[in-house]
Amino acid sequence: AQKVTQAQTEISVVEKEDVTLDCVYETRDTTYYLFWYKQPPSGELVFLIRRNSFDEQNEISGRYSWNFQKSTSSFNFTITASQVVDSAVYFCALSEAATGRRALTFGSGTRLQVQP
Amino acid sequence: ETGVTQTPRHLVMGMTNKKSLKCEQHLGHNAMYWYKQSAKKPLELMFVYSLEERVENNSVPSRFSPECPNSSHLFLHLHTLQPEDSALYLCASSQEGTGPYEQYFGPGTRLTVT
Repeated sequence: AQKVTQAQTEISVVEKEDVTLDCVYETRDTTYYLFWYKQPPSGELVFLIRRNSFDEQNEISGRYSWNFQKSTSSFNFTITASQVVDSAVYFCALSEAATGRRALTFGSGTRLQVQP
Repeated sequence: ETGVTQTPRHLVMGMTNKKSLKCEQHLGHNAMYWYKQSAKKPLELMFVYSLEERVENNSVPSRFSPECPNSSHLFLHLHTLQPEDSALYLCASSQEGTGPYEQYFGPGTRLTVT
C-alpha cells in the first residue's frame, strides 16, 4: 500500500530564513508520481510541482527547490529566504501509475508559519 | 470563470436538511474528485468520476450522494448529516489518460452541521 509521511506537523521560522519541509513515501510501484501542494488560509490547494519516479533531477523555481532522493524515498521541499506569504499548510502527495488508481494519497501536511 | 469553482463557499445545515454542493471545472478535464478535509484527519478521498462514470467510492456513508451529469460538473448531495460531517469539502479535476494524475482543486465548501 502507498503511504506518505510528513513528520513535521508545524514549523515556525522568521522571515528570510530558509526552511525545508520533509516528505517520505512508501510505494511498491516502480513508476509513480510525487506532488507538492500549498494550502493557504483561504483553503484552496494550489499545485506546486510534480515529479515522476524516473527523473531524480532536483528542481528550482524561484525561491522554491525540491530534492528527490529515491534511495531514501524522500521528496523534500525547501523555501529559501522565506516570506510571510509562504505561511500555509503544505502537502506532499503520491500517485501510482501502474495500479491505475487515479486518486492522490496525501500526507498529513506541514503547517508553516513565517513570522515577520 | 477559470480553474475549478465550488458553490457555496460556506454552508450551515441542520441534521435533517437536504442540500447540495456544486463543483464546476473549466479546464477541459475528464476526471473529477470529492475530498473531505477535517481537522482531525488528513485529506480523505470520497469519490472519483472518470468520463462521468463513478470509478471509486471510498466507503463513504450513503448520506453523501455524488452526481456527475457531465465532465464539467460534479455535485455532492447531502441528507441527514451528522455533526462529525462538518468539514471542508474539496473538489478537484484532472486529465485522465497516461497520467500523471495531477489534480487541480477548487476553493472548497466549508460545511457546518448543527
